[in-house]
Amino acid sequence: NAGVTQTPKFQVLKTGQSMTLQCAQDMNHNSMYWYRQDPGMGLRLIYYSASEGTTDKGEVPNGYNVSRLNKREFSLRLESAAPSQTSVYFCASSERGLRGASYSGYTFGSGTRLTVV
Amino acid sequence: RKEVEQDPGPFNVPEGATVAFNCTYSNSASQSFFWYRQDCRKEPKLLMSVYSSGNEDGRFTAQLNRASQYISLLIRDSKLSDSATYLCAVNYAHDKVIFGPGTSLSVIP
Repeated sequence: NAGVTQTPKFQVLKTGQSMTLQCAQDMNHNSMYWYRQDPGMGLRLIYYSASEGTTDKGEVPNGYNVSRLNKREFSLRLESAAPSQTSVYFCASSERGLRGASYSGYTFGSGTRLTVV
Repeated sequence: RKEVEQDPGPFNVPEGATVAFNCTYSNSASQSFFWYRQDCRKEPKLLMSVYSSGNEDGRFTAQLNRASQYISLLIRDSKLSDSATYLCAVNYAHDKVIFGPGTSLSVIP
């Protein structure tokens, strides 16, 4: 099925460990995003990529890095995990970049539930 | 003041009821507005866009009031399957989409 695929779905890390969350979309979307969702805080933008080859910080980028590997793939890396990074992480893509007049909304992946102990 | 605010609820309504949610935003430069639905432990899914003229999709009606800086979602004839969290999303002028914290709806038999 077409859409956004995230891996892994669940992960438990020890403080200080590193990991990369993978995201791929097969809708030929230009823009891709990483959000985290915490109870009472809603979805908060970590990083985004308006097009292949570009990345920009969102609201909460500290402790994360991203790579837009190609048009399909956008990965999120935690270099040294901290308990404050326990969250649900969602990758999303959209047909047009945010500067477009016809921004069409996101398609989300099913999420990665990350626990840092 | 938060950039996008919603009444967290929960809204508990009987089947067949009409329920309305509001979402306020602080940045008058906002360009695009959306409602998403999120089921428990699932990803958000786009429900509908919100246009200046208002728009309707079956039992769902979305309205935008730029002067007062809020958007609304009206659900008529509520179904059990409408139980979910409803997120509003606002696209600002400089490549930012801000989501509200969500409003929880439970439709009761």
